[in-house]
Amino acid sequence: TQLLEQSPQFLSIQEGENLTVYCNSSSVFSSLQWYRQEPGEGPVLLVTVVTGGEVKKLKRLTFQFGDARKDSSLHITAAQPGDTGLYLCAGSLRSGYALNFGKGTSLLVTP
Amino acid sequence: SAVISQKPSRDICQRGTSLTIQCQVDSQVTMMFWYRQQPGQSLTLIATANQGSEATYESGFVIDKFPISRPNLTFSTLTVSNMSPEDSSIYLCSASSGELFFGEGSRLTVL
Repeated sequence: TQLLEQSPQFLSIQEGENLTVYCNSSSVFSSLQWYRQEPGEGPVLLVTVVTGGEVKKLKRLTFQFGDARKDSSLHITAAQPGDTGLYLCAGSLRSGYALNFGKGTSLLVTP
Repeated sequence: SAVISQKPSRDICQRGTSLTIQCQVDSQVTMMFWYRQQPGQSLTLIATANQGSEATYESGFVIDKFPISRPNLTFSTLTVSNMSPEDSSIYLCSASSGELFFGEGSRLTVL
């Protein structure tokens, strides 16, 4: 059973476009993380959101945690080729417990 | 953040053999986990490595196949036993004292 549903699974866009990746669940999470993974490397933590309705910004990336703490979104403004990678959302049902990962969104940004 | 070192980073193994992956964290951490990432897929939790006691395995993973040790708060090993080609994957160690950080993974190819 996949606790976290991520969409879209694949996304190919031109440099300069905007995009949004969604992460949805029927479960309530104590926290939710977004990771970015490049080929041959482990996932790198981008952000952690813990409060319902929370919005965090990391340069051109905007992360939002749903009010009910069941869903999250990642919005990238003016995507660049360096944004290419696998974006993973992951949630913890209880603090200190292992993360459950979504299937990931593979993003390709072409010049 | 924690720096996590895994070795080997990659290996090619023969069917029926076993391989032990080591994970070293540069600071004491509360929780350590082992994940598997099959080609083109997201991360699946194998087990939680408990310090001083037996690991807690997720559904579909058993101790005989994936024995885990965690002798202290900074070190853990995962053994992949009696390997078959289906075990070809990236195995990732992660550690948490709050947020979850990952090593770069160990890429295993079983012939």
